[in-house]
Amino acid sequence: QSALTQPASVSGSPGQSITISCTGTSSDIGAYNYVSWYQHHPGKAPKLIIYDVTNRPSGVSNRFSGSKSGDSASLTISGLQSEDEAEYYCSSYGNRITYVFGTGTKVTVL
Amino acid sequence: QVQLQESGPGLVTPSGTLSLTCAVSGGSISNTNWWSWVRQPPGKGVEFIGEMHHNGRRNYNPSLTSRLTMSLDKSKNQFFLILNSVTAADTAVYYCATTSVSYSWNYWGPGTLVIVSS
Repeated sequence: QSALTQPASVSGSPGQSITISCTGTSSDIGAYNYVSWYQHHPGKAPKLIIYDVTNRPSGVSNRFSGSKSGDSASLTISGLQSEDEAEYYCSSYGNRITYVFGTGTKVTVL
Repeated sequence: QVQLQESGPGLVTPSGTLSLTCAVSGGSISNTNWWSWVRQPPGKGVEFIGEMHHNGRRNYNPSLTSRLTMSLDKSKNQFFLILNSVTAADTAVYYCATTSVSYSWNYWGPGTLVIVSS
């Protein structure tokens, strides 16, 4: 399975909203509602921020929201804050009983 | 709260075997469904390596299946990764991970860097 496609970078000013896209295929995102999103600060373990397309784990800010349409998914960060600056990865369960990750998006807070 | 910690050699010679251990604390390896390995090569994206259920079922990344073995030791509350015939392309930060929510990972180890070099 090929990696899911994400934009290399997205930027926004504090308080703004940004959206990160994640494009897959009918074998992964299009086939299952098992898209998750991870926030990754350098040198730290990734942090789950969205699972099953739209669900937030306990303790994750409601500024993070997820959605899906067809073979693509999106992560929206509203009220952008400096601590949101990180790398973000999407992931999807796929056919062949495995997972595929996105190419990663670097979020910069201007 | 489940905590994970990877351990193993930081340097492996080409064509050799990469072996990593993930120690689990704060929970039993028999209670959580799937135990996973994920890696990130320097400057590159994240790759799913494989997962193992405490009942013995395994799901491997098809691109790694021929070189990969995962196992676990319930008595030690640990699970393991063995990757054979490594090359420089296997140089990466390796993470062990698990989940209490479906089809994702909400518990991660801090990661361990493994360099494949002579």
